[in-house]
Amino acid sequence: TQLLEQSPQFLSIQEGENLTVYCNSSSVFSSLQWYRQEPGEGPVLLVTVVTGGEVKKLKRLTFQFGDARKDSSLHITAAQPGDTGLYLCAGFITGANSKLTFGKGITLSVRP
Amino acid sequence: DAGITQSPRHKVTETGTPVTLRCHQTENHRYMYWYRQDPGHGLRLIHYSYGVKDTDKGEVSDGYSVSRSKTEDFLLTLESATSSQTSVYFCAITPDGFIRPFFGQGTRLTVV
Repeated sequence: TQLLEQSPQFLSIQEGENLTVYCNSSSVFSSLQWYRQEPGEGPVLLVTVVTGGEVKKLKRLTFQFGDARKDSSLHITAAQPGDTGLYLCAGFITGANSKLTFGKGITLSVRP
Repeated sequence: DAGITQSPRHKVTETGTPVTLRCHQTENHRYMYWYRQDPGHGLRLIHYSYGVKDTDKGEVSDGYSVSRSKTEDFLLTLESATSSQTSVYFCAITPDGFIRPFFGQGTRLTVV
């Protein structure tokens, strides 16, 4: 059972367009992280959100954590070719069996 | 990135042979992790360590063993490699707990 569903799986857009991608679950998370991974490299942390309804901005990237802490979205304004990569979300659940679960990722391609 | 070094970066091995991947960190972080990344599965935890000689299994630990004799080194061993273990392996570290792992650049392993 996939705990974290990311959508869409693939997205190809033109430079300058806006986009929103999603990370959804039926589980409640203590925190949720977004990573970007480029080919041949390891994932790099972009942001961590911990409070329901929280919005964080990183230049042209806007991250939102759902009010119920079950989902998150990533919005990119005026996408650039440098935004191309695999975007991963990872949710953390605390408790006796604390664990970090990754989604399968969203492959984004921004065409010049 | 500086802080984690994985070796080798690429390896081709034959089915049935033992293989050891090494992860070396210079951050003095307590926790170290081994993940594998496969298309359609995302990142999955193999084993992790919470201190010298303290290790535990992740969700896909069958066929793998680990050792940590020093804070800075975490070894992943495939006792008898199989084709299903062809994957990209990532080492990651955190100062405590599972949140916000910092990843190495990965090792691409091909079992033929």
